[in-house]
Amino acid sequence: NAGVTQTPKFRVLKTGQSMTLLCAQDMNHEYMYWYRQDPGMGLRLIHYSVGEGTTAKGEVPDGYNVSRLKKQNFLLGLESAAPSQTSVYFCASNEGSYNSPLHFGNGTRLTVT
Amino acid sequence: GQQVMQIPQYQHVQEGEDFTTYCNSSTTLSNIQWYKQRPGGHPVFLIQLVKSGEVKKQKRLTFQFGEAKKNSSLHITATQTTDVGTYFCAPAYNQGGKLIFGQGTELSVKP
Repeated sequence: NAGVTQTPKFRVLKTGQSMTLLCAQDMNHEYMYWYRQDPGMGLRLIHYSVGEGTTAKGEVPDGYNVSRLKKQNFLLGLESAAPSQTSVYFCASNEGSYNSPLHFGNGTRLTVT
Repeated sequence: GQQVMQIPQYQHVQEGEDFTTYCNSSTTLSNIQWYKQRPGGHPVFLIQLVKSGEVKKQKRLTFQFGEAKKNSSLHITATQTTDVGTYFCAPAYNQGGKLIFGQGTELSVKP
C-alpha cells in the first residue's frame, strides 16, 4: 500500500519556468491538500480539494494552480516560477472531513534560481 | 479569519527533561490534531482531541484540550533523543475540509 506518492522528489527551476507537481493517493481518500514548508513558517496551505473536480484556495494560493480531474490525483502547477517559491511541498489526503487524520507524501524539494 | 499561535518556536532540552508545546486559538475549535515531523521527514499524525477538557496519553506524551476548546498542549515527560523533531498542531474550525497548521515547535534533545 503506497499511501501518498509525490513526484518528483527534487527539482531545480530557473525563474520563469513552469512545472507540475503530481500527487497520487491509493487510499480512496476524498480530500487532498497541498502545503508548502519554509523554515520558521511551518506548513502553509496552498490549495485543497474536497472531491474530484473541485478545488479551493488555502492560505497562500497566489502563483499556483491546481487540478483534481481524477479522485486519486491532485496536481499543483507553477506557471512562472519565482525564487520565493523555493520550498518543500507536501501533499496530503484524508478520508473526507476535518476530523480525519492527514496522510502526507514524502515531499518535493523545489529550488528556483 | 481564524488564527492559531503555537509556542515556543524552538525548545532545546537535556535528555530526561520535560517538554511542553502550546497551541492557542482566537476562536473556538471543533477539534485539534497533533503531528510530529522528524528532521528530513514528513508530518505524521499523532492524535486528535475533540471534547472539551479532554486528556489523552500515548506513553510519555500527554495531550490536553482546553475547557473552552481554544487551546491545547502536548507534554512529553522525560524526553529522549527519539523525540527530536517538530511538533505541529492542526486546529479544525469546521470549515468544510480546510486544515491549517500552527507554526510548529522544533524540539532538540541533547544526550
